[in-house]
Amino acid sequence: QLQLQESGPGLVKPSETLSLTCSVSGGSINSSSYYWGWIRQPPGKELEWIGTIYYTGRTYYTPSLKSRVTISEDTSKNQFSLRLTSVTAADTAVYYCAKAVTSRGWAFDLWGQGTMVPVSS
Amino acid sequence: DIQLTQSPSFLSASVGDRVTITCRASQGNSIYLAWYQQKPGRAPKLLIYTASTLQSGVPSRFSGSRSGTEFTLTISSLQPDDFATYYCQHFNNYLLTFGGGTKVEIK
Repeated sequence: QLQLQESGPGLVKPSETLSLTCSVSGGSINSSSYYWGWIRQPPGKELEWIGTIYYTGRTYYTPSLKSRVTISEDTSKNQFSLRLTSVTAADTAVYYCAKAVTSRGWAFDLWGQGTMVPVSS
Repeated sequence: DIQLTQSPSFLSASVGDRVTITCRASQGNSIYLAWYQQKPGRAPKLLIYTASTLQSGVPSRFSGSRSGTEFTLTISSLQPDDFATYYCQHFNNYLLTFGGGTKVEIK
């Protein structure tokens, strides 16, 4: 059974780079059936899509974060990653990785448990 | 960019009530609209995709519909487990947008 698990530092300082990894178990990220995405949720606020990567390496980002975001994949480790540069307190959020199925219109049908990343000095 | 307007942002209802939540897209004719349920401290759970297709394992009291750029989530008879926050999510031209959420609380 496919499972997702986020990992990364528990705290990031302002102006630094936030880096998170999503480890995929029970299946391969190198599948044409799936897209892999990052979504975040600031405390008490709504969900925000950050970006998505396809097995070909093609990436799609939300316009408001595009200049600071990179999503990449490591098929040898069955992982995909998020880098967000020049962070501020506004980037404090729970970060989720998730899987979308191409046949389900990019709906995320499987989510990691999420990891809280505070941005603070 | 497409804007998603979800309403209401909050609703108070009783067990057994019929509940309707609406999500309106500012433009486009995409059918790719999904609904999620989120409980405190938990990841969202997919309920419906492509506007009206029920995700496997989701109770049939949940349903979705579309009329033009307006999408609706209906819970036919609210159950105690349904008190949560609901989000819509729209896909168009390889960009995704979430609605602002609807918190459903017990009256």
